[in-house]
Amino acid sequence: SAVISQKPSRDICQRGTSLTIQCQVDSQVTMMFWYRQQPGQSLTLIATANQGSEATYESGFVIDKFPISRPNLTFSTLTVSNMSPEDSSIYLCSANSDMNTEAFFGQGTRLTVV
Amino acid sequence: AQSVSQHNHHVILSEAASLELGCNYSYGGTVNLFWYVQYPGQHLQLLLKYFSGDPLVKGIKGFEAEFIKSKFSFNLRKPSVQWSDTAEYFCAVNAWGKSTFGDGTTLTVKP
Repeated sequence: SAVISQKPSRDICQRGTSLTIQCQVDSQVTMMFWYRQQPGQSLTLIATANQGSEATYESGFVIDKFPISRPNLTFSTLTVSNMSPEDSSIYLCSANSDMNTEAFFGQGTRLTVV
Repeated sequence: AQSVSQHNHHVILSEAASLELGCNYSYGGTVNLFWYVQYPGQHLQLLLKYFSGDPLVKGIKGFEAEFIKSKFSFNLRKPSVQWSDTAEYFCAVNAWGKSTFGDGTTLTVKP
């Protein structure tokens, strides 16, 4: 199993600013992902964080808005750029040790944009 | 691309009632199937998972699920719910490491 820590756990931000969320896994993992859970909705995959290369974004998400870094096998960041109230969501980091194992999730970052 | 459909958006039960939450998925290849639970104000927790083998899988807290390949279904069951089972339940499929979630079912158990 993997334990995933996210920071911050919550934040309230002004519109137009940016927030970087950190995700730390307690063991080396092959795959890391970022999800968004908007209020009252399910989880939507934002992107796959690729170690040492550019992230792979899902339809509807772009690098300029959600830049992602993954410098090594245990750490990733997601930045929510130029925030608007519509970005208010829970952002979750997820990791798999490989594609045939369960995904572990962090506790999430609850973001409110005012 | 994979997709997941959960049949019930909100289920209300009395304690000791039996529970079944429906989940159907769409994907052309081999998938791994999961049920997650999210208690109010808490993060996702894994209830149970299916990778291969016995299609009836047992998870934590008395939950079980049955994988029926011909129906592309993975329904969650519990014979007798408790007030503490009040939560949001998500069915998910995982292919190539990526998870796709259903819209979730809110379960309210009345004491």
